[in-house]
This record gives sequence, C-alpha cells and structure tokens, in this order.
Amino acid sequence: EAGVAQSPRYKIIEKRQSVAFWCNPISGHATLYWYQQILGQGPKLLIQFQNNGVVDDSQLPKDRFSAERLKGVDSTLKIQPAKLEDSAVYLCASVPGRLAGGPYNEQFFGPGTRLTVL
Amino acid sequence: GQQVMQIPQYQHVQEGEDFTTYCNSSTTLSNIQWYKQRPGGHPVFLIQLVKSGEVKKQKRLTFQFGEAKKNSSLHITATQTTDVGTYFCAGPNAGNMLTFGGGTRLMVKP
Repeated sequence: EAGVAQSPRYKIIEKRQSVAFWCNPISGHATLYWYQQILGQGPKLLIQFQNNGVVDDSQLPKDRFSAERLKGVDSTLKIQPAKLEDSAVYLCASVPGRLAGGPYNEQFFGPGTRLTVL
Repeated sequence: GQQVMQIPQYQHVQEGEDFTTYCNSSTTLSNIQWYKQRPGGHPVFLIQLVKSGEVKKQKRLTFQFGEAKKNSSLHITATQTTDVGTYFCAGPNAGNMLTFGGGTRLMVKP
C-alpha cells in the first residue's frame, strides 16, 4: 500500500513570498490533516478535512494560510505571504475513519515538506 | 485549551539502559496515542490506549494509561541504538482533534 505522498520535500523562500505544498493521502482515506512542526516541538494541527469539507480550521492562521481539498483526495496548503516564523516542517496525515482521535484511528503521516523562510 | 506535556525533553542513555518518558494532559482523555519520529523522519504510530489503567507491551516497549486517563508513560527496557528518536504522545481534544505533546528525544550511546 502506497503511503502519504507530499511535495516538494524541501523549499527555501524569502519572507513575503508565497509557497504551496501538495499532499496525496493514502487511497480511500477520507480524513486528511495538515500539521506544522517547528524544530524541537511536536506537530501542531492546522486544519482537518473530511472528504472535501473542512471539519476544523480553528488553528489555521487564516490571514496568511489557506488550504483546500477540492475533489476530496489531494490537498494543497498555501502560505501567502510567508514570515520567518513559518519556517517548519509541514506534515500531511490521513486516517481511514471519520475521527482522528477515535479508537484505532492511527494517523499515517507523509514525509513532510521542510520550509525555510529567509 | 487542552495541553499535553511530556518529560523529560531529552534523555541520553547508554545502550542497554532503560528509558521512560511521561505524558500528562490537562484534561481527561478518551484515548492516548504514541508516535515515534526518527531523526529526519516523520511520526509513525506505535500504539493507542483506551481503557483506564491499561498496560500494553510491544517487545521491549511498555505503555501505560493512567487510572484517571490524564497521564501515560512509555518505558523501553534495555535500549538499543535503533530506539533513537523522539517519542510523542497525543490525545484528542473536545473536538476529537489530536494534540501532541512536545516529545522526548532519546539518544542512545553505543
């Protein structure tokens, strides 16, 4: 079974530039998450999708971050404009069930995109 | 909001020594999950605990869920260099979204 795919793996941009990340979850996984992991910290949830709808985006800085999952499969996360503090690894994860924290709903993470903002 | 804390933040051990990391939540959890992240890698699911006082073992790893379902621990017996990485606990908040702890980074000297 193929895992969660993400691209690019690395991205270096200057502050105030825009950047987009792409995620393809495991086939059949209805629920998709984007996390931000700053160096030395645990992953912080940004947004959750159930199919093509947003379930929770309460922790997404909406003034500069946006995400979509138009066809309920692939997802993109965009930052516009980027700030220095956005430097982090952006992880995508998917689960087969409806609820992330429910019993037996382990999250399958992709390799992440390491973003450096100069 | 819900907070999940882990201690210690770092742990250096000699290969063969035991290791324990502790996880504490500010709220009662319906379940708790543990993940391992190797250096440069992504989090990989280890286990989920659901019942109060539950203890589960995976070879040299022992996981416990507290009676009050607010704390958990992971114990590794006789560490090996392959155990190197950061261990995260994660619990669902009221909206069933996972909150991760800050992790415990384990370093093993051969």
